[in-house]
Amino acid sequence: DAGVIQSPRHEVTEMGQEVTLRCKPISGHDYLFWYRQTMMRGLELLIYFNNNVPIDDSGMPEDRFSAKMPNASFSTLKIQPSEPRDSAVYFCASSSTSGLEQFFGPGTRLTVL
Amino acid sequence: AQRVTQPEKLLSVFKGAPVELKCNYSYSGSPELFWYVQYSRQRLQLLLRHISRESIKGFTADLNKGETSFHLKKPFAQEEDSAMYYCALSGPSGSRLTFGEGTQLTVNP
Repeated sequence: DAGVIQSPRHEVTEMGQEVTLRCKPISGHDYLFWYRQTMMRGLELLIYFNNNVPIDDSGMPEDRFSAKMPNASFSTLKIQPSEPRDSAVYFCASSSTSGLEQFFGPGTRLTVL
Repeated sequence: AQRVTQPEKLLSVFKGAPVELKCNYSYSGSPELFWYVQYSRQRLQLLLRHISRESIKGFTADLNKGETSFHLKKPFAQEEDSAMYYCALSGPSGSRLTFGEGTQLTVNP
């Protein structure tokens, strides 16, 4: 297994544009998490899914952020419209029902100009 | 509400010196505590968990419920230990982790 896969690895966009980040969790994992990492705030949980259902989205900053998980092998995090303060590294992670260890993807470094 | 605090954003030590990365938590029940590490250009990965009572790469961490702490320690730091370290907490009811702000450890030669 290649582990958690994220794309793109880097994204540079202009303010106001729509950004879509993608994640493929480890096969068989029931939980999927989206995090944002910044120097100021560290690692923040944005939203997580269990069996493709969003369980807690209280960390989503505002309505400009949305996340979906249409099936067990794919999730997206969308920002529309993007703003410079959204610049960060976005991580996706997955875990199995029985285990507490989360496995992280390589992250997407987003820069909004 | 669960909360994890890492009071030091930056920590710098010399090779061979002892190192301690502090972590304090607040949680009303019985938490599960973890340390995750992110080496340069690598993924964030689990370093150790308190329930395993293990030593990984020379690091240990003891859960002190009285002080609500889970400090990470290593008696002799190595240059390859330079990384970002995150303390994390999970309640027994679910798989959600709450992370601290992280501590960037630099081990100088």
